[in-house]
Amino acid sequence: NAGVTQTPKFQVLKTGQSMTLQCAQDMNHEYMSWYRQDPGMGLRLIHYSVGAGITDQGEVPNGYNVSRSTTEDFPLRLLSAAPSQTSVYFCASRLDRVAGTGELFFGEGSRLTVL
Amino acid sequence: TQLLEQSPQFLSIQEGENLTVYCNSSSVFSSLQWYRQEPGEGPVLLVTVVTGGEVKKLKRLTFQFGDARKDSSLHITAAQPGDTGLYLCAGGRYGGSQGNLIFGKGTKLSVKP
Repeated sequence: NAGVTQTPKFQVLKTGQSMTLQCAQDMNHEYMSWYRQDPGMGLRLIHYSVGAGITDQGEVPNGYNVSRSTTEDFPLRLLSAAPSQTSVYFCASRLDRVAGTGELFFGEGSRLTVL
Repeated sequence: TQLLEQSPQFLSIQEGENLTVYCNSSSVFSSLQWYRQEPGEGPVLLVTVVTGGEVKKLKRLTFQFGDARKDSSLHITAAQPGDTGLYLCAGGRYGGSQGNLIFGKGTKLSVKP
């Protein structure tokens, strides 16, 4: 079972470059989300989606775009990378839209460094 | 504003010791989850509690949800090196943004042989 797959695992960018972090899940989950994890800051929600064609902003959305054209895929785009976006990014999915008792499944993370 | 406060932030103990990690808030949560994250990996769910006062046990780990559903604790008995990792609590909210979990900053546990 693949679960949640993120690519790439590591990436180095120069300031101003753009890139896309890919996320795919094969569990037919409605809810998908992107978090960033920084030392001492915990997991902070960037964007989320409750179904194909539906996206919304989380706690720290500035500098990032998302789209959800299919149930399976939820890419995260960095428009013009900044050093402040150096972080570890996690994609997570859940079967249900509402955060009841459902488990959030995480990918292995993408470590991004912006020089 | 950090809605979920975890303490302690760091914990280093010897194998065989007991420990308790706390997750506190002034807000009421519909549910509370605990995740464990190992280096280089994503968090993995350990348990979900939904009823005030609920206690769940997972081998040597005991989880409790506060009566008012504002806080939770994780107690580990006779810790082992395999328990080493980052422990995260996450709360499900009522009302708007019901799909999103609020995560605490985590407790980094190191268990030395």
